[in-house]
Amino acid sequence: GAGVSQSPSNKVTEKGKDVELRCDPISGHTALYWYRQSLGQGLEFLIYFQGNSAPDKSGLPSDRFSAERTGGSVSTLTIQRTQQEDSAVYLCASSLAQSGRVDTQYFGPGTRLTVL
Amino acid sequence: DAKTTQPTSMDCAEGRAANLPCNHSTISGNEYVYWYRQIHSQGPQYIIHGLKNNETNEMASLIITEDRKSSTLILPHATLRDTAVYYCIVRVVWDYKLSFGAGTTVTVRA
Repeated sequence: GAGVSQSPSNKVTEKGKDVELRCDPISGHTALYWYRQSLGQGLEFLIYFQGNSAPDKSGLPSDRFSAERTGGSVSTLTIQRTQQEDSAVYLCASSLAQSGRVDTQYFGPGTRLTVL
Repeated sequence: DAKTTQPTSMDCAEGRAANLPCNHSTISGNEYVYWYRQIHSQGPQYIIHGLKNNETNEMASLIITEDRKSSTLILPHATLRDTAVYYCIVRVVWDYKLSFGAGTTVTVRA
């Protein structure tokens, strides 16, 4: 596709439920990133994928959060037993990740998650 | 990491050039200047980046001072759709964890 796509665009769930957020990166981009942005806050890094591997999961807030990437393309961020503090916009970005060169990340439109 | 300083807000008239300043006085020689913007309820949008030379693309121009301690993003003909929060960040090649400050809220008025 022309850009990074994410689905759903909005998700309302009840506390305690599991949710899955999907990201489709730009074709050919080997690196994929998940961030979240709470209301009025800046970007919070969650996890980084290079291909299907996640060399940096340091930003995942708790073990309720997990992510995977398959086929070097689509990624899914899963939040188990959602809590109200998980409410935020979850952003996905992708990049070419050319070694030794500054790498530009392109963002998707985000998924707005509301936990009631 | 070098930090950036931007004005909190600015207004611009539609059709006029918008000049957005950014100070990065502690920038290192290997740090790039990047600009993103975020229109309300949308994901961040990449605008432009540069190391030391001025850069231009279809969206904007980036002017970096010779000492690299500051830069200006220029939107040549602002439209109402350019109303957004604009973020100036500095980053090295290997720094993949993007972090935005408060940015500049730009309001383009008809």
